[in-house]
Amino acid sequence: GNSVTQMEGPVTLSEEAFLTINCTYTATGYPSLFWYVQYPGEGLQLLLKATKADDKGSNKGFEATYRKETTSFHLEKGSVQVSDSAVYFCALRGPYGQNFVFGPGTRLSVLP
Amino acid sequence: GAGVSQSPRYKVAKRGQDVALRCDPISGHVSLFWYQQALGQGPEFLTYFQNEAQLDKSGLPSDRFFAERPEGSVSTLKIQRTQQEDSAVYLCASSLPRRLAASGEQYFGPGTRLTVT
Repeated sequence: GNSVTQMEGPVTLSEEAFLTINCTYTATGYPSLFWYVQYPGEGLQLLLKATKADDKGSNKGFEATYRKETTSFHLEKGSVQVSDSAVYFCALRGPYGQNFVFGPGTRLSVLP
Repeated sequence: GAGVSQSPRYKVAKRGQDVALRCDPISGHVSLFWYQQALGQGPEFLTYFQNEAQLDKSGLPSDRFFAERPEGSVSTLKIQRTQQEDSAVYLCASSLPRRLAASGEQYFGPGTRLTVT
C-alpha cells in the first residue's frame, strides 16, 4: 500500500538557519505530493504541492521538488523564522485513490 | 463560511457514551473526508463521501464508527460506546472532485478533540 516516511523530530533551529525536512514515499503509479503545516492551536493548512515528477512546489519561502527516482519530496527553506515553528506533514494522494496518506509529522521549533 | 467548520471543538465523553461530531464542508465541495489523528501522529483516513454516497469506509476502525452525509453537505461522524482508544482529534476535509482539481488538494477543518475518560 501507499506510505509516507518523514524524518523524526523535533527539529530545533536558530532563526535564519537553513531547513531540510526529509520525506520519502512508497506508492503505486504517480501520486500527487503535498506538504501540510499545522501551527499551534490551528488546523492543517496546505503549504505546497507537486503533481508530477520534477515539479517544484513553493510557497512562503518553502520549496520541495518531486523526485521520482529517489521517491522523495524533501521540504527546504533557506532562512527560517520564529513564525515557522509548527508541525509539518508530508502527504501523498495516489493516482487512483481519493484519500490522503500522511507521514507522522515533524515538529519544528525556531529559536530567536 | 469560507472554510471547513467542525463542532464541537472539544468533547469529553465517559467510556461507553455515544458521541456525534459534525462537519460543514466548503460550499460546492462534493468530496468529504474524515480522518483520525492520534496525539503526535499524522492523520489517518477513516471514510470518504462523494455527495451523499459513502464510497470508501475502509479506514473505520470498528463497527462502532458510523458516518453519514444524507443531503450531500453536512456530515456527522458517530462513535457508539466510546472507548479510551477512541481519544484523538477527528479531522474533516473537503475537496473538489478529482476531475475538477487534478491534485485533489483537501481543505481541513480545525478538528474535534475527543477525550474519553
